[in-house]
Amino acid sequence: TQLLEQSPQFLSIQEGENLTVYCNSSSVFSSLQWYRQEPGEGPVLLVTVVTGGEVKKLKRLTFQFGDARKDSSLHITAAQPGDTGLYLCAGAGNNAGNMLTFGGGTRLMVKP
Amino acid sequence: GAVVSQHPSWVICKSGTSVKIECRSLDFQATTMFWYRQFPKQSLMLMATSNEGSKATYEQGVEKDKFLINHASLTLSTLTVTSAHPEDSSFYICSGGGRIYNEQFFGPGTRLTVL
Repeated sequence: TQLLEQSPQFLSIQEGENLTVYCNSSSVFSSLQWYRQEPGEGPVLLVTVVTGGEVKKLKRLTFQFGDARKDSSLHITAAQPGDTGLYLCAGAGNNAGNMLTFGGGTRLMVKP
Repeated sequence: GAVVSQHPSWVICKSGTSVKIECRSLDFQATTMFWYRQFPKQSLMLMATSNEGSKATYEQGVEKDKFLINHASLTLSTLTVTSAHPEDSSFYICSGGGRIYNEQFFGPGTRLTVL
């Protein structure tokens, strides 16, 4: 069974601060997705990382996939209140036919 | 692209009744669809994997006779909560599988409240 540990679980910061969310596993993933979910809505795919060491940027969000494809991080620069939400990482195995292993989620609150 | 819809968005029902939730992939064909349950302030909990034209695979602890899943076409999967009870109240989310990197595209969710 693949496990994905996500940290921190909760984060409350002031507007303008930087933050990093981590997802770690002892398993190797073929790809890793990051999602953002707002209350009462489904998760929205932010990015997919596939190659070990890959870095992707989405405006103020920087996503990195570990060299060994076992871990990933999400860094947000100059957080805005609109970044508030639940961030979920999810890893895909090599054979799973779309099956994903989800992290426990990071609930981010950015205060104005 | 990769849009998934769910219907209804929310439903309130009496204990003992059955509720059907529809999940549709609008602009892609989803050979595999997934059904999740989410409790407040928690991550997603996979209930079952639904493959078009075959029986769903349920996760351990999920009663298949309680949560009936039908995946009749490449664009439609349904979840029926039978004889619903207050403890079935939850946020149910479906997703369709992408074809490139095993990503999933999620529906907007259905909030079920059983009185």
